[in-house]
Amino acid sequence: NAGVTQTPKFRILKIGQSMTLQCAQDMNHNYMYWYRQDPGMGLKLIYYSVGAGITDKGEVPNGYNVSRSTTEDFPLRLELAAPSQTSVYFCASSAGNEGYTFGSGTRLTVV
Amino acid sequence: AQKITQTQPGMFVQEKEAVTLDCTYDTSDPSYGLFWYKQPSSGEMIFLIYQGSYDQQNATEGRYSLNFQKARKSANLVISASQLGDSAMYFCAMREIDNAGNMLTFGGGTRLMVKP
Repeated sequence: NAGVTQTPKFRILKIGQSMTLQCAQDMNHNYMYWYRQDPGMGLKLIYYSVGAGITDKGEVPNGYNVSRSTTEDFPLRLELAAPSQTSVYFCASSAGNEGYTFGSGTRLTVV
Repeated sequence: AQKITQTQPGMFVQEKEAVTLDCTYDTSDPSYGLFWYKQPSSGEMIFLIYQGSYDQQNATEGRYSLNFQKARKSANLVISASQLGDSAMYFCAMREIDNAGNMLTFGGGTRLMVKP
């Protein structure tokens, strides 16, 4: 199915552990995004990319890193996980017009 | 200052009635786009409706319409004939054309509960 695929769907991490959230899209979109959604809140932008090899910080980048080596993939890396990173993470992509496609989300708990 | 403000944290509506969800925005960019998304309890983000700042008419998509008042910087979502399946979180979002990353900025959301 075409769209944005996120893995894993759920993950529990211990404080100080690291992990990578995977995101892949097959629509040849140039723009990709990582958002986090805390309980009962809206989405906040962590990082974004306007094309392969280009990434930039969003509103809440601390504690995260990204890379964009291909058009399709945009992994989000968490180093030294903290309880404040407990959230739902959404990856999204866009061709630059009004359409945005969201992944189904990754629910992360840091204990 | 908040770019997108949704002042109603939660709302109830009777099934089959219409409901308006408020959204105000703040931008100095003359060209922008406004979006509404629905997030049911399952968690996915579902696109509902889009309004461009230069669009002359209010956007409509089935039971959804967007009451766009540019001078007041408001973009309220109107859901007609509410159904039980409309119970969800609703998010207003804005894209400013001037932003190089083409990203969306979201409001805090409104939880809509439809009563039978």
